Amino acid sequence: AQKITQTQPGMFVQEKEAVTLDCTYDTSDPSYGLFWYKQPSSGEMIFLIYQGSYDQQNATEGRYSLNFQKARKSANLVISASQLGDSAMYFCAMRPFLGTDKLIFGTGTRLQVFP
Amino acid sequence: KAGVTQTPRYLIKTRGQQVTLSCSPISGHRSVSWYQQTPGQGLQFLFEYFSETQRNKGNFPGRFSGRQFSNSRSEMNVSTLELGDSALYLCASSGSNGPTDTQYFGPGTRLTVL
Repeated sequence: AQKITQTQPGMFVQEKEAVTLDCTYDTSDPSYGLFWYKQPSSGEMIFLIYQGSYDQQNATEGRYSLNFQKARKSANLVISASQLGDSAMYFCAMRPFLGTDKLIFGTGTRLQVFP
Repeated sequence: KAGVTQTPRYLIKTRGQQVTLSCSPISGHRSVSWYQQTPGQGLQFLFEYFSETQRNKGNFPGRFSGRQFSNSRSEMNVSTLELGDSALYLCASSGSNGPTDTQYFGPGTRLTVL
């Protein structure tokens, strides 16, 4: 069965510092996509970054980068230069490549950025 | 391009009633998925529609149903509401154009069942 594990219920980081949010996954599918979403208190899920299982390089999007280690089945999100507006819930999700857009989510990590 | 819209944003119902939630995807997107988010169960997949056909369904009772129209707009219906149905219901759309396609979410409908 496919599963996403986020072991950090909460994280604190000081403004302008970098922070890593952990995500491990389990799947027997040969091809899959990994996603990170941010959910502020308003509730909307905001797409941050995507990594395909066959991508050779780690994905980057502005201040977000994904540390993808396929052999370890981990897809950690790195946020550089944290800002107060980064305070939110962060979810890691996985989707198999074929036949469905269904996302399997982890339990999330609540990030709090302090001045 | 306008994002995914969901209506209504907030809803209060009583046990036993039924409710219909609406989702309008991003223009050009043909796939719509629904998720339920609760503090206890987290984010759970409800169902997925593509070109008016249900392509995938999560593990929810038959009280939860959905449909998609020819313009890709989708509705989900919950009949005989229970207290445990109180949740944030999120809709997501994608072009379903391939494995790298991203799902974009709407703001959600917050349902409270009294």
